[in-house]
Amino acid sequence: QKEVEQNSGPLSVPEGAIASLNCTYSDRGSQSFFWYRQYSGKSPELIMFIYSNGDKEDGRFTAQLNKASQYVSLLIRDSQPSDSATYLCAVNGAGANNLFFGTGTRLTVIP
Amino acid sequence: GAVVSQHPSWVICKSGTSVKIECRSLDFQATTMFWYRQFPKQSLMLMATSNEGSKATYEQGVEKDKFLINHASLTLSTLTVTSAHPEDSSFYICSAQDRAGNTIYFGEGSWLTVV
Repeated sequence: QKEVEQNSGPLSVPEGAIASLNCTYSDRGSQSFFWYRQYSGKSPELIMFIYSNGDKEDGRFTAQLNKASQYVSLLIRDSQPSDSATYLCAVNGAGANNLFFGTGTRLTVIP
Repeated sequence: GAVVSQHPSWVICKSGTSVKIECRSLDFQATTMFWYRQFPKQSLMLMATSNEGSKATYEQGVEKDKFLINHASLTLSTLTVTSAHPEDSSFYICSAQDRAGNTIYFGEGSWLTVV
């Protein structure tokens, strides 16, 4: 099983602040990287995916990938209470169909 | 985005009975589907990977005779929990990968409670 590691948190930020979620992975051959959001009792929901080094922005979300450091992050700007959830980092290894998940980081946005 | 539907969303069954959960990709063909289990406050645990028309590949520690997976078509996979016991109570989630292999989409999940 490939290793995907995340800080379990909880991470608390005030409303309007930037939330930074981090993830490292062990398989240097990994090709695709995903961030999912999971509300309590619900299924994960895809937020973003990134394949190339650098930043990818979508609305208030920015994914950052550094393959040399085997590091992927998710920034949430102007955090809202509705962003409070568990964020799962997932990595799809080279030649592999499956996603390997981190344990998730619980984010709480304080109004 | 792509839609993956699971049914039922919740089920309560008696110990010793079998329960079937369906996973359908509604607007795309899924050559590969995955089944996960998630206990409260824990991360997703992959149970098995199923490819259309072939036997599922189970993760270590998952009993293939207890968790029967069938992927008979490009849009449907089923998970049958046989002879369910209370410790099988969990949140079961399926996901499906589109044929391009780019992205994996999750179903809504199914809560199973065995009493």
